[in-house]
Amino acid sequence: EVQLVESGGGLVQPGGSLRLSCAASGFIFSNFDVHWVRQVTGKGLEWVSSIANSYDTYYADSVKGRFTISRENEKSSAYLQMNSLTAGDTAVYFCARAGAAAVGYGSFDIWGQGTMVIVSS
Amino acid sequence: DIQMTQFPSSLSASVGDRVTITCRTSRSISNFLNWYQQKPGKAPKLLIYSASSFQSGVPSRFSGSGSGTDFTLTISSMQPEDFATYYCQQRYTVPYTFGQGTKLDMK
Repeated sequence: EVQLVESGGGLVQPGGSLRLSCAASGFIFSNFDVHWVRQVTGKGLEWVSSIANSYDTYYADSVKGRFTISRENEKSSAYLQMNSLTAGDTAVYFCARAGAAAVGYGSFDIWGQGTMVIVSS
Repeated sequence: DIQMTQFPSSLSASVGDRVTITCRTSRSISNFLNWYQQKPGKAPKLLIYSASSFQSGVPSRFSGSGSGTDFTLTISSMQPEDFATYYCQQRYTVPYTFGQGTKLDMK
């Protein structure tokens, strides 16, 4: 079964750091780009960051300089290192697999269940 | 950034109704437009990619159309499992952006 499982969310104080993980299974991880998308409770979806299978990385302006995306193909995993967190980063964070060429690399065809990040003192 | 305007923001419908959701982009994106369905407490699910192509397993009552700046998602006959929130998303360029969402609830 094709699957993504996020972990690492939790409660962190403003200014703190957190590292999210996304474990993939059921497909050849190294062939696919990976995205992180977040959603404030009751609100819409916001793209956060992407890492290509070439290791090129992309970030939303709202997290640039604070968040770092990475991947370890040997572990079929992707990560999102989040530093200097603020209350505005409180959200559910989803990792998502990018579609193959036909579907589009900027499409999100497989999603994890999400992990909650709460930034509060 | 490409701005996405999705409407209506909410819609009440009955089983069997035909429903149309519209998404407008701030500049032309060719057909690089996707539609997602999200149910409460769940991750979004890709329904339509490239404006009109079905993701595997998506029922044929869903259809997408449009190109350039104007796109629509149509559900030809609402089923109970279709009551959810729907989002459009452009994949034309980074930063990828989503519409604000359309919540379909039961009339």
